[in-house]
Amino acid sequence: GAGVSQSPRYKVAKRGQDVALRCDPISGHVSLFWYQQALGQGPEFLTYFQNEAQLDKSGLPSDRFFAERPEGSVSTLKIQRTQQEDSAVYLCASSLTGTGPTDTQYFGPGTRLTVL
Amino acid sequence: AQSVTQLDSHVSVSEGTPVLLRCNYSSSYSPSLFWYVQHPNKGLQLLLKYTSAATLVKGINGFEAEFKKSETSFHLTKPSAHMSDAAEYFCVVSDRGSGTYKYIFGTGTRLKVLA
Repeated sequence: GAGVSQSPRYKVAKRGQDVALRCDPISGHVSLFWYQQALGQGPEFLTYFQNEAQLDKSGLPSDRFFAERPEGSVSTLKIQRTQQEDSAVYLCASSLTGTGPTDTQYFGPGTRLTVL
Repeated sequence: AQSVTQLDSHVSVSEGTPVLLRCNYSSSYSPSLFWYVQHPNKGLQLLLKYTSAATLVKGINGFEAEFKKSETSFHLTKPSAHMSDAAEYFCVVSDRGSGTYKYIFGTGTRLKVLA
């Protein structure tokens, strides 16, 4: 079946531009996560949705980062006034429930953002 | 807070020889642990997960991991490496957040397989 998809796969932005990254989770998955993976590092948690509700945004690095999932399926991560330190791979994951410690998260291929 | 430490950033093995990727965890309660693999330009794929049902966990592609509470370790092994195993491997612990269990990743181990 279809997995998690993300678009665009690659994005180059000039410093100060706004960008929007899209995630299509697996159909029927309640939970959706965003992670940021800097070069040579492991992914780091940004934010979490349960259906359309954003329950945890403790990992968002600044108020320039904003995420939404208005209808409980597709999600968009928006970064305003991009800075060079925002350059990273942004990963989206979905989980059937996401409410148990052993729940598996299924990851998309990521969007590689480069800020010049 | 939960955390994992991957002890080697790079591991090189010859094709057909055993693989050992090391992971130690820190947890205030019984942890849930995972190993994921990341091939270039592909998404993270689950290899296996520890759910406390058994300390020896078997995963896909011949990988397995053993949970050792006394050593706070969850090392990943494979008896015989294949060229296709060359990738980045992440040890992960799940940590309770607000309404969910988010993943805490290690820094990764890049596995190189030599012909």
